[in-house]
Amino acid sequence: DVVMTQSPLSLPVALGQPASISCRSSQSPVSSQGNFYLVWFHQRPGQSPRRLIYNAFNRDSGVPDRFSGSGSGTDFTLKISRVEAEDVGVYYCMQAAHWPCSFGQGTRLEIK
Amino acid sequence: EVQLVESGGGLVQPGGSLRLSCAVSGFTLNHYYMSWVRQAPGKGLESVAIIKHDGSEELYVDSVKGRFTIARDNDFLYLQMNNVRGDDTAVYYCATSGGWDLAYWGQGTLVTVSS
Repeated sequence: DVVMTQSPLSLPVALGQPASISCRSSQSPVSSQGNFYLVWFHQRPGQSPRRLIYNAFNRDSGVPDRFSGSGSGTDFTLKISRVEAEDVGVYYCMQAAHWPCSFGQGTRLEIK
Repeated sequence: EVQLVESGGGLVQPGGSLRLSCAVSGFTLNHYYMSWVRQAPGKGLESVAIIKHDGSEELYVDSVKGRFTIARDNDFLYLQMNNVRGDDTAVYYCATSGGWDLAYWGQGTLVTVSS
């Protein structure tokens, strides 16, 4: 199975400051067409996960443009340009190229 | 608007059975992959099973193979859980997308396996 490794696991950030989460895959989540099936989710306490980014860098509808995804090969990054209070929670990356689809351990973002 | 509503969770004894349901609305089920994802208390996310949009293929994580069955029928997705174990205790989410990338999620239903 593909192992997804996130860092850091805990991320204290002051309001208005940038944040960055790294995700490394043990196998590249690339499709035969060259797309990267790498997804980012945000889960607030007590809520279901919400997809933020798909295909490594495409933002979902309604996701603020302060969120951006990047990367290639086996290394991917989620960046928040200016953290807001509503961004607290746990962020997960997931590869959707190989079954079983596998998630990272999660990165807990808190306001410092 | 896409909506997914899970039901059927509850307390079940080890070795017992349970069937989870997910009612879908706002889209045509036949055009989407449907998945079950679970989250043990205080833990991360785990893909459990996925069924292809035309129902022609089902995939399972190794830990549930031979015990769980995913199925779809009209506007419902199901997960038949047999011979459950303690490590099956989790919130079970149904999720869907055009591919495997889980664009939409339900609110989840809690399954507790305990004697």
